[in-house]
Amino acid sequence: TQLLEQSPQFLSIQEGENLTVYCNSSSVFSSLQWYRQEPGEGPVLLVTVVTGGEVKKLKRLTFQFGDARKDSSLHITAAQPGDTGLYLCAGALRGNNNDMRFGAGTRLTVKP
Amino acid sequence: KAGVTQTPRYLIKTRGQQVTLSCSPISGHRSVSWYQQTPGQGLQFLFEYFSETQRNKGNFPGRFSGRQFSNSRSEMNVSTLELGDSALYLCASRPGQTTADTQYFGPGTRLTVL
Repeated sequence: TQLLEQSPQFLSIQEGENLTVYCNSSSVFSSLQWYRQEPGEGPVLLVTVVTGGEVKKLKRLTFQFGDARKDSSLHITAAQPGDTGLYLCAGALRGNNNDMRFGAGTRLTVKP
Repeated sequence: KAGVTQTPRYLIKTRGQQVTLSCSPISGHRSVSWYQQTPGQGLQFLFEYFSETQRNKGNFPGRFSGRQFSNSRSEMNVSTLELGDSALYLCASRPGQTTADTQYFGPGTRLTVL
């Protein structure tokens, strides 16, 4: 069982649609990160959220950290084919600065 | 600055063999972490090295080992390969030791065990 559960596992949408992917856990994290990974490459960090309830925006991407620091969401507005990729969330467990756990990811395909 | 580099990019081995993968971190980064990525399990933490010392270890059998050199370059070794070891092995570096530092990933080594 994954410590971080991501949903949905797969998502295929048309260009211009909006979408939200989720990252949930029963554990509390001191921080949570979102990465995007494209085929043949390693994950690339998109954002780090640290404070419960925090909302960060990166162009058309909006990231939210749950109030209890156990969950997070990523919302993409007007998705584009360039958004296609594997979106991974990763949480740093509280009390252990070196313990970073990853979810299995959401594979997003945006069709033109 | 050059990014994290991993060699080789692709590797095919047979069961029972051993393999060594190499990772060169970003210049100035002292922490190197290794991950195994498979479609079923996602990204799983193998181990982390900082200043040539293993600081953290994931839940993998002893066949998986690693080391870090004085120039921060790192190698991981898998002995007695099994079919289930087929995966993308990712290396990540960061300047310091805590998760507050941004982690930068290399492109990975795709290992196929036949």
